[in-house]
Amino acid sequence: GQQLNQSPQSMFIQEGEDVSMNCTSSSIFNTWLWYKQDPGEGPVLLIALYKAGELTSNGRLTAQFGITRKDSFLNISASIPSDVGIYFCAGHYSGAGSYQLTFGKGTKLSVIP
Amino acid sequence: GAGVSQSPSNKVTEKGKDVELRCDPISGHTALYWYRQSLGQGLEFLIYFQGNSAPDKSGLPSDRFSAERTGGSVSTLTIQRTQQEDSAVYLCASSFTRGNTEAFFGQGTRLTVV
Repeated sequence: GQQLNQSPQSMFIQEGEDVSMNCTSSSIFNTWLWYKQDPGEGPVLLIALYKAGELTSNGRLTAQFGITRKDSFLNISASIPSDVGIYFCAGHYSGAGSYQLTFGKGTKLSVIP
Repeated sequence: GAGVSQSPSNKVTEKGKDVELRCDPISGHTALYWYRQSLGQGLEFLIYFQGNSAPDKSGLPSDRFSAERTGGSVSTLTIQRTQQEDSAVYLCASSFTRGNTEAFFGQGTRLTVV
């Protein structure tokens, strides 16, 4: 099956710093999604990307769909304490009528005030 | 409802017992998904429903796992003869149509098998 490699696994940053994380896939996706999960909660959708090369922003968050369709990155600018959580990338490939999302293992973000 | 609702939020069960987990999707969402999240891991796909039918059950780990959906709404995931390795957070998600992969998740059911 498809494999997603998400990095870094965890990161500690100072409040106000910018953050970057990325995902690479062994095969192509049609859609990339980025989710954030707080403790005891389900993942919350942050950004959805549908086209190779697409760059999309949501407030301080910016994500890009890689041109090869095998990678995506998420940037967070000027981090604040509430950015703490686990960030997951997820990919979808619509071939063979599949509707499941393949998830990375997450990047755990800690923000030091 | 306003969001995806799952119950119970926590469940502790003895090894060998059966459990049922419930999911109430967002009203009007025709697609429903079950995922499993083990400690420190990403989400593992279990099953996908479109309406009341399940065209993709490929993620169910064994025949002890089954799921149904009735009225195009509520879904129940059943685990029979639970084992300790079944301990995980079970997450349900729904999306508007089968072509829409923007899935919205519930808060999950944390299952602990002792």
